[in-house]
Amino acid sequence: QQQVKQSPQSLIVQKGGISIINCAYENTAFDYFPWYQQFPGKGPALLIAIRPDVSEKKEGRFTISFNKSAKQFSLHIMDSQPGDSATYFCAASYSGGYQKVTFGTGTKLQVIP
Amino acid sequence: DVKVTQSSRYLVKRTGEKVFLECVQDMDHENMFWYRQDPGLGLRLIYFSYDVKMKEKGDIPEGYSVSREKKERFSLILESASTNQTSMYLCASSFLKNYGYTFGSGTRLTVV
Repeated sequence: QQQVKQSPQSLIVQKGGISIINCAYENTAFDYFPWYQQFPGKGPALLIAIRPDVSEKKEGRFTISFNKSAKQFSLHIMDSQPGDSATYFCAASYSGGYQKVTFGTGTKLQVIP
Repeated sequence: DVKVTQSSRYLVKRTGEKVFLECVQDMDHENMFWYRQDPGLGLRLIYFSYDVKMKEKGDIPEGYSVSREKKERFSLILESASTNQTSMYLCASSFLKNYGYTFGSGTRLTVV
C-alpha cells in the first residue's frame, strides 16, 4: 500500500539526450511527489516536486509528468549533461497524519560525453 | 545557506558499542527525520519527530532510539551496535508537513 516502485535501476544516456525515470505508486492518498538528486558522498537534494492538481511541472531542463489515473509519475531530463550524472529518487507522501515520505529505490544515471 | 549538519562523515564502531549520531539544523524546522540508505533498498525511515521531546517510530526502528531535547538537534542512538547496522545514515528536516526535505551529507557507519 505504501510502496513506490522506481525504474530503471540504472540508466546510461548520451550527452544531449533525454533521460526518463519512472515511478508508480499504490496509495491514492499520496498528494505530494518530489524528486531528489544525490551526488556521491552527499545527501539527497530536492530537485523538483509536483502535486496531483497538475499533470506536468517544468523547471529548466527537468520536467515531472504526472498521470493520476495510472498512478504513475516520471522525471524527464532534457539535454542531459555529464553533470547530471547522479542517483535520482522519486518519493511520495500525503497530507493526512504524519508526513511519512515513501522513497523509491533510486536510479543511477550516467550521462556519457 | 540553510543547513543540516551531521557531526561525523565516517564512523567505525565495534559490535555492542552504544553509538550516537548527531544532527543539527539551522532553519528552525519543526520536523526532523532519520533515514538509513542501503544499496538496492533506497531510503528507509528509522524515526522522526515533529516537535521537541516528541518522537515517532518509522518503518525500521528496531535497535535504534532517538532524542530531541532541543528544536534544532535530533540524535540517533544505536543502543548496542551490530554489523547489520553498517549503513549510510541520513538526517533530514522540513518546515511543514508534506514539503520537501533538506538532507545532511550523511554519516557512513561501519560496525566491525
